[in-house]
Amino acid sequence: AQSVTQLGSHVSVSEGALVLLRCNYSSSVPPYLFWYVQYPNQGLQLLLKYTTGATLVKGINGFEAEFKKSETSFHLTKPSAHMSDAAEYFCAVSDSGAGNMLTFGGGTRLMVKP
Amino acid sequence: EAGVAQSPRYKIIEKRQSVAFWCNPISGHATLYWYQQILGQGPKLLIQFQNNGVVDDSQLPKDRFSAERLKGVDSTLKIQPAKLEDSAVYLCASSTAGGINTGELFFGEGSRLTVL
Repeated sequence: AQSVTQLGSHVSVSEGALVLLRCNYSSSVPPYLFWYVQYPNQGLQLLLKYTTGATLVKGINGFEAEFKKSETSFHLTKPSAHMSDAAEYFCAVSDSGAGNMLTFGGGTRLMVKP
Repeated sequence: EAGVAQSPRYKIIEKRQSVAFWCNPISGHATLYWYQQILGQGPKLLIQFQNNGVVDDSQLPKDRFSAERLKGVDSTLKIQPAKLEDSAVYLCASSTAGGINTGELFFGEGSRLTVL
C-alpha cells in the first residue's frame, strides 16, 4: 500500500525567503510523484510531477522538486517566496502501473509574510 | 477549454437527510473521480469511473454513498442518510486515459457539505 507523509501542516516564510515543503512516501513499486496546489475556494491544480527520467523536475510558478529514491523523498522548493504562493500544497503518489489511483498526503499550508 | 464543473458549491443539511452532488468533467475525459476532503486532511478517493464503468470504489461507504455515471459523461454522488462525519468538500476530477498513469487530474472547485 502506498502512503504519503508531509512534515509540517503549516509552514510560514517571509517574502523572498526559500520555500521548502517536505514529502516522504512509501511505495512497493517505482512511484509516480506529484505536487498539487490548492488556492482558497479552488480545486487542486497540478504543480509538477515525476514519472521517469530526470530526478529534478521543474513546475509552474518557479517551483521544483527532486526525487530521491534512497531517502524516499520528493521535497518541493522555491528559491524566493511570493505573497501569491500562499496556498495549501499536497504531495501525492501513485504506482507506476496502469489505472492506479493517487494517494494524497495531509497537506501543508504555506503562509508568506510580507 | 471549460474546466470541471460541480454543483452545488455549498450545501447545509441536517443529519439523516439526503444530498446529491453533480459533476461535469472536461469534454473528452474518459476517467472521472470523486474525492472526499475533510478539513485539515488530504483528498481521499471515493470512486473512480472509466467511461461509465467503476474502476475502484473500495473506499466508498456503500451503505450510505452511491455514485453513477450513466452515459460516461457527467456523474452524480449521493449521500443518504448523511452523518455528521460526512461534512467535507467533495471534489470531482477528470483525466484522459493517459492521465490515469501520469496522475494529471483536473479538479473542480468542489462541493462543500455541512451536516448539522
